Amino acid sequence: DTGVSQNPRHKITKRGQNVTFRCDPISEHNRLYWYRQTLGQGPEFLTYFQNEAQLEKSRLLSDRFSAERPKGSFSTLEIQRTEQGDSAMYLCASSLFPSSYNSPLHFGNGTRLTVT
Amino acid sequence: AQTVTQSQPEMSVQEAETVTLSCTYDTSESDYYLFWYKQPPSRQMILVIRQEAYKQQNATENRFSVNFQKAAKSFSLKISDSQLGDAAMYFCVVSGGTSYGKLTFGQGTILTVHP
Repeated sequence: DTGVSQNPRHKITKRGQNVTFRCDPISEHNRLYWYRQTLGQGPEFLTYFQNEAQLEKSRLLSDRFSAERPKGSFSTLEIQRTEQGDSAMYLCASSLFPSSYNSPLHFGNGTRLTVT
Repeated sequence: AQTVTQSQPEMSVQEAETVTLSCTYDTSESDYYLFWYKQPPSRQMILVIRQEAYKQQNATENRFSVNFQKAAKSFSLKISDSQLGDAAMYFCVVSGGTSYGKLTFGQGTILTVHP
């Protein structure tokens, strides 16, 4: 168990640019979640996948955001035409379903995005 | 919809003492789970303790225990024999329904442990 891995750890970009983040979950975990955390706040749910299927998206996820998990393993989160309000920590987590209670979410270290 | 309220933005405790972090929540789910997660500075989120709402017995995990009052929708965390490594941001979290991993976090409580 190598844990949830997120890359890059930090990303600085200029407003209007596109950025893509990657998350590698724990290998046997079939559910993968994306959360966004702004400074001093609790994380907010963005979206989640079960295997390759995206099961739910938050209203926070505007049209500029897209997430994929093409083969049910790693996932990418892309933000197009970044805005300063997108600056946040983007957290990925994974779990094993349906053994949910005994397999709580395991979080990665996050990708910190700064939009200048 | 689910909401979680942590009314203590910051708390402090002396090493080896006991501290209690407060949390209230609201949910329309009949079956849900409650958690406390810990986020040390610049480090990843870690599960501290969890509670199934249908269980009346309060969960304990070593030095960590909860006081779960379902009718009052209250879920406090007690840390006994506080250690320097307990210093972190603590989040009260509720999850429910089929979207088990769709967690709703509180605003967090920063815990400082003084030597």
